[in-house]
Amino acid sequence: DAEITQSPRHKITETGRQVTLACHQTWNHNNMFWYRQDLGHGLRLIHYSYGVQDTNKGEVSDGYSVSRSNTEDLPLTLESAASSQTSVYFCASSEGLLNEQFFGPGTRLTVL
Amino acid sequence: DQQVKQNSPSLSVQEGRISILNCDYTNSMFDYFLWYKKYPAEGPTFLISISSIKDKNEDGRFTVFLNKSAKHLSLHIVPSQPGDSAVYFCAASGNRDDKIIFGKGTRLHILP
Repeated sequence: DAEITQSPRHKITETGRQVTLACHQTWNHNNMFWYRQDLGHGLRLIHYSYGVQDTNKGEVSDGYSVSRSNTEDLPLTLESAASSQTSVYFCASSEGLLNEQFFGPGTRLTVL
Repeated sequence: DQQVKQNSPSLSVQEGRISILNCDYTNSMFDYFLWYKKYPAEGPTFLISISSIKDKNEDGRFTVFLNKSAKHLSLHIVPSQPGDSAVYFCAASGNRDDKIIFGKGTRLHILP
């Protein structure tokens, strides 16, 4: 069965360190998204991609970067982790226009 | 400024009764609306959607109503069941864009 996976599921890191969160989908979807979920804010879009070599900034992109070298993966990198980036991160993918997004199980990141 | 608003952070409903979750939006370009359900420690899952050309969409116990003039939609769950206890996110997209904007979510508690 097709699926979308995220790793690691939990991560603790220190301020200033570079961190990469992995997202892998086997749906063969063109569209992939990264969100963060925080209390009082719901789900906020960080970055998204509509295909290989395409990346776009979302509403909270500062301090984050993504790259899309193949259809299946969209890794999210925190260049220099900050305590404000402590959150739960969700990756999602969709087939295309007006199609539902399928979400991964999430990565809980703690920055100390 | 929030484009998708869920003004009730939480809602408690007796098992067997109707649950009504509300959502307001401000962007008149939105033309597709979705509801997602989220259990703790899991990613959100798609529940039901509605296009702006309709005012109602039903799927089993779940019905979404759209009032375009009021920029308001609601999700009705009848009858409510214990497994419906979760956080519900309202989301919207528009202008033929694959990005969706999420509300902050409403936590629904189904009481025995």
